[in-house]
Amino acid sequence: NAGVTQTPKFQVLKTGQSMTLQCAQDMNHEYMSWYRQDPGMGLRLIHYSVGAGITDQGEVPNGYNVSRSTTEDFPLRLLSAAPSQTSVYFCASSPPTGGNGNTIYFGEGSWLTVV
Amino acid sequence: GENVEQHPSTLSVQEGDSAVIKCTYSDSASNYFPWYKQELGKRPQLIIDIRSNVGEKKDQRIAVTLNKTAKHFSLHITETQPEDSAVYFCAAVQGYIPTFGRGTSLIVHP
Repeated sequence: NAGVTQTPKFQVLKTGQSMTLQCAQDMNHEYMSWYRQDPGMGLRLIHYSVGAGITDQGEVPNGYNVSRSTTEDFPLRLLSAAPSQTSVYFCASSPPTGGNGNTIYFGEGSWLTVV
Repeated sequence: GENVEQHPSTLSVQEGDSAVIKCTYSDSASNYFPWYKQELGKRPQLIIDIRSNVGEKKDQRIAVTLNKTAKHFSLHITETQPEDSAVYFCAAVQGYIPTFGRGTSLIVHP
């Protein structure tokens, strides 16, 4: 298993540009999510999905869109990049919980700079 | 929603000392409490976890304790080593969704 794979690892965008961060997992996990990590702010949830066709907003969803057409893929779209979106982005997935929490597996991260 | 407070934000210890990081949570429905270690430039990785029906769990030099009544849980690292230097995150999980603390930067001086 490759685990959680996200691309690209590094990206520089100009203000106003759009882009998509790709995320794929090969563990048949139901739950997938996107976090952003900023200094001193921990991991903040952007969007999440509990299965194909189902997405919901997290703590900081503004400026981002997601879709979940398959179990494996969960891309994050930046609609019109702003300098405030400069951050490290982590995709994560988790197996079915049966009502209880379960281990979160993170991708390697994507370093995004908006100039 | 859930709120997780983590303290301290920075912890500096000498090699061989013990380190304790504490977290409190607000939602009594949270039932799973993982701890993640994140080395510089790397992804967070699970180091230990505890479920709400257990009070303490140990794995070699690391241990986690949970007090459900007080809604707090702690990470204990004994005999710290320089390679323990990293940022540590606690989380409280209800169902699928974890809420993370803001992280503790642990520095172990040789």
